[in-house]
Amino acid sequence: DTAVSQTPKYLVTQMGNDKSIKCEQNLGHDTMYWYKQDSKKFLKIMFSYNNKELIINETVPNRFSPKSPDKAHLNLHINSLELGDSAVYFCASSHRGQGRAGELFFGEGSRLTVL
Amino acid sequence: AQKITQTQPGMFVQEKEAVTLDCTYDTSDPSYGLFWYKQPSSGEMIFLIYQGSYDQQNATEGRYSLNFQKARKSANLVISASQLGDSAMYFCAMSGASGGYQKVTFGTGTKLQVIP
Repeated sequence: DTAVSQTPKYLVTQMGNDKSIKCEQNLGHDTMYWYKQDSKKFLKIMFSYNNKELIINETVPNRFSPKSPDKAHLNLHINSLELGDSAVYFCASSHRGQGRAGELFFGEGSRLTVL
Repeated sequence: AQKITQTQPGMFVQEKEAVTLDCTYDTSDPSYGLFWYKQPSSGEMIFLIYQGSYDQQNATEGRYSLNFQKARKSANLVISASQLGDSAMYFCAMSGASGGYQKVTFGTGTKLQVIP
């Protein structure tokens, strides 16, 4: 039973297209995140939601739009894809006041390739 | 603002030897957490070890130990008795409060290669 699951795992698409990545967690956590890992392996936070409310919004182009329909799901929609969007996108979750403060539980990552 | 620095882009270690991966941090938060994650070539992020800023003792998890020196703002990972399966990217990370919520910032990572 996967704790944090992302779909799809691999996504290959053309420049200019719109695509979505979905994330679901069954850990009962109240906070979910999107991280981007670029070709140099640098992990950078993009967004964070707590109980469906956006709480962290780093400097990300507005072509990226996260949506959290409930606290177990966090989706990422990307409009007008560019070559520089090629990366691995990680979903993660955590829970306030539980366990190690800030410990992240990661999904397996979604590798996006823009041609 | 919090910052994590890993100055070793790559490291080699002989199998069965110990290795230390460096990590320094900067934060103005009095309360924070320090983590190490492993990312093998398969890509998943694996939690290794955690140290809270108020913990008096250094954290240990099996062959992993965290050398926490608060005054120096360093949180080095020590892997004892290296194994071939330890070859991976290792990330140091720090959690701190951001508007009442936890924000986790990662270092740039160290690629460790274990030599038979």
